[in-house]
Amino acid sequence: SQQGEEDPQALSIQEGENATMNCSYKTSINNLQWYRQNSGRGLVHLILIRSNEREKHSGRLRVTLDTSKKSSSLLITASRAADTASYFCATDAGRRALTFGSGTRLQVQP
Amino acid sequence: DVKVTQSSRYLVKRTGEKVFLECVQDMDHENMFWYRQDPGLGLRLIYFSYDVKMKEKGDIPEGYSVSREKKERFSLILESASTNQTSMYLCATTSGGVAGANVLTFGAGSRLTVL
Repeated sequence: SQQGEEDPQALSIQEGENATMNCSYKTSINNLQWYRQNSGRGLVHLILIRSNEREKHSGRLRVTLDTSKKSSSLLITASRAADTASYFCATDAGRRALTFGSGTRLQVQP
Repeated sequence: DVKVTQSSRYLVKRTGEKVFLECVQDMDHENMFWYRQDPGLGLRLIYFSYDVKMKEKGDIPEGYSVSREKKERFSLILESASTNQTSMYLCATTSGGVAGANVLTFGAGSRLTVL
């Protein structure tokens, strides 16, 4: 079963703009992670935020977590054409494995 | 860096064939996973293993089996491939402890087409 649901499913922006993707989940979690996938490739880990954290930064990435709303957002600032990829949230709900959402396809136009 | 290698990037098989997808990791990680990825459905867990010869079913194990005879190798087996198993298959690993608390390292994926 899918724990995380990303919104929007697809997003197209111009280079230099900010991109925001949202993730909602259903059960309590230990942490939430964001991954990136270039077309036809495996996923690469971007950032992890723990359930007791509200915001985390890594370079041009900013992740927020609202456990009361069971939601997270990923903000990519000053986007570049190279940011074009699919982005997935994944939740650790105490099971043996992470549960992934269906992803957001981001297209950054040069 | 952990390297996770999936031996076949693209495979084309016929219905009814037995298919082996191999995954090898080089960092002595205890936990290994097989996911399949389909458009609109995200990644769904097929099987995982937290030790040699140990395996657990994920969310969609039907039609699949796995083998973990050595720590570094985790194989996904389709005993009799069907067209609805056409998909991208992703192997991932993470170090010990509770698997979900750790970050996953993925292979490049194996795209299987069953005709």
